[in-house]
Amino acid sequence: GAVVSQHPSWVICKSGTSVKIECRSLDFQATTMFWYRQFPKQSLMLMATSNEGSKATYEQGVEKDKFLINHASLTLSTLTVTSAHPEDSSFYICSAPQGGQFSNQPQHFGDGTRLSIL
Amino acid sequence: SQKIEQNSEALNIQEGKTATLTCNYTNYSPAYLQWYRQDPGRGPVFLLLIRENEKEKRKERLKVTFDTTLKQSLFHITASQPADSATYLCALVANNAGNMLTFGGGTRLMVKP
Repeated sequence: GAVVSQHPSWVICKSGTSVKIECRSLDFQATTMFWYRQFPKQSLMLMATSNEGSKATYEQGVEKDKFLINHASLTLSTLTVTSAHPEDSSFYICSAPQGGQFSNQPQHFGDGTRLSIL
Repeated sequence: SQKIEQNSEALNIQEGKTATLTCNYTNYSPAYLQWYRQDPGRGPVFLLLIRENEKEKRKERLKVTFDTTLKQSLFHITASQPADSATYLCALVANNAGNMLTFGGGTRLMVKP
């Protein structure tokens, strides 16, 4: 079945470092991908919608200059946390629907990236 | 304001019993609703999707109901097994929102042998 791969699965780095997270759709093309953030024992909060070939759409309260999204191909979206600080520590998860943004299909999620900023 | 509420307290049941999880929403007109399973440290896994004009959906031991009048969905796992222990998330897609999911807080299910 369709799979979304997310890399890396775990990152520990010093404050001020920029961290790039990759999200790949392995056997289907994803014109749209979604990026979520999840704090412990809380639900997934949508951060942004990544669109292939165009700018990402950010949710209210999410700093676009802090969380850079690039969707350069139909199978890859990246999220870069720039100048990360301890408050950015969280679990970041990407997802992609088969068939595009308006396909009304279930989403395939990556296994998440645990980001810890020291 | 819009809310999607799931029981934040863990649900503990005995193996073999039926688990019933609740998802209530307010100030939404969902086009459809989805249920996902999430294990610790993993991404959610899709289980079932039910549309606004459907009352019930089944898949093996799983059953989902959708009552747009009560603004509620119920998720049932029959003949529960310890391997069913996980957090279950409901998610709504509003009309004209494409595939954009809004998640409830999730309910942790613990099935004891």
